Amino acid sequence: AQKITQTQPGMFVQEKEAVTLDCTYDTSDQSYGLFWYKQPSSGEMIFLIYQGSYDEQNATEGRYSLNFQKARKSANLVISASQLGDSAMYFCAMSHRLSGGYQKVTFGTGTKLQVIP
Amino acid sequence: DTGVSQNPRHKITKRGQNVTFRCDPISEHNRLYWYRQTLGQGPEFLTYFQNEAQLEKSRLLSDRFSAERPKGSFSTLEIQRTEQGDSAMYLCALHVRTVTSGANVLTFGAGSRLTVL
Repeated sequence: AQKITQTQPGMFVQEKEAVTLDCTYDTSDQSYGLFWYKQPSSGEMIFLIYQGSYDEQNATEGRYSLNFQKARKSANLVISASQLGDSAMYFCAMSHRLSGGYQKVTFGTGTKLQVIP
Repeated sequence: DTGVSQNPRHKITKRGQNVTFRCDPISEHNRLYWYRQTLGQGPEFLTYFQNEAQLEKSRLLSDRFSAERPKGSFSTLEIQRTEQGDSAMYLCALHVRTVTSGANVLTFGAGSRLTVL
């Protein structure tokens, strides 16, 4: 069974500072994908960043980077230079491709990030 | 613009009533998912369509729930005899290949929030 664990229910960060959101995962599969999504108070799930299990380099997307440590089964999200608009829920997720093109995606319980001016 | 339109955005209903949600992809996508998100949780998988075929269903999808995707375009999710426990955000998602990573990621609509009184 696949499981995503996010141990930080809430985090505070000062504007312009960097913040790390933790995510650990459990799977017996060799091939999988790791994702981070942002969910502002409006409710929409916004894709941020993707890391494949075979990718050797950590993924980066603008101010977002994914600190992938395969042996430790962790996929932490680092947000640099936090902005007030970064205040939102952040979800870590993992995907496994199954038959028929179906991808099983499992989400964590989320971390609520609040950026302080 | 996520490429996925969901209606209605909000629905308040009395226990025992039937409700229907609609998901309209803006362009052709053969893989469509429905997820449910309750308060304080990450999204949970409900069902998956490849074109018009419903290939996967979660155990969360009781016999009061039915989903269809006629002609492989828009999809509907109907809940019969609603219960208070059905109160949640219902999210439709498509598989979209990202430009930056080349990975297929779930792209969500804005969701339909259901409140059962």
